[in-house]
Amino acid sequence: QVQLVHSGTEVRKPGASVKVSCMASGNIFTGHYIHWLRQAPGQGLEWMGWINPNTVVTNYAQKFQGRVTMTTDRSLTTAYMELTGLRSDDTAVYYCARGAGYSSEHFDYWGQGTLVTVSS
Amino acid sequence: EIVLTQSPGTLSLSPGERATLSCRASESVFSYLAWYQQKPGQAPRLLIYGASNRATGVPDRFSGSGSGTDFTLTISRLEPEDFAVYYCQQFGSSPLYSFGQGTHLEIK
Repeated sequence: QVQLVHSGTEVRKPGASVKVSCMASGNIFTGHYIHWLRQAPGQGLEWMGWINPNTVVTNYAQKFQGRVTMTTDRSLTTAYMELTGLRSDDTAVYYCARGAGYSSEHFDYWGQGTLVTVSS
Repeated sequence: EIVLTQSPGTLSLSPGERATLSCRASESVFSYLAWYQQKPGQAPRLLIYGASNRATGVPDRFSGSGSGTDFTLTISRLEPEDFAVYYCQQFGSSPLYSFGQGTHLEIK
């Protein structure tokens, strides 16, 4: 069974950084991009970027460029997303998701999400 | 920038009824359109991809149609577990991936 398991809830002060992890069961990341998305409380979904775990190439949404770094471990079972310069409007649930389709057009498996709260 | 507009914002129906949800793109996304279901406290679940292909394990009461700028998600006969928020998502245009604002399907 495909599972993506996130690290736990985080609380940070404005200006700090946070690093969220997403661990996959088996080798489900092989051959797929890993995406990160977020959802602010009561709001819709926002795509942040993807990482190709095989080439370590990344593609970040323009909004997050310079603040986000996506990585994976060498076993390709855990993905990480680090966001720096946190602001209150970064408070959200952060999800990893596996990209699917020839060009990774949609997201077929999602982690349960990590709540990141930014508050002074 | 492509904008996806979902309608209605809220849809109130009873179990057993048919639900029709709309997603309109501000410019063509061809067939790069997916639908997701999200229940409170849960991650989104992929229902439909490529505008009309059901994802693995999705009941056949869910169907998707459309291409270009106008898309529809239809639930033929609502079950109690279908009441949730539904999002459409496009791929390929700036921004590379974006979502509609969601349709809340509630029990009447």
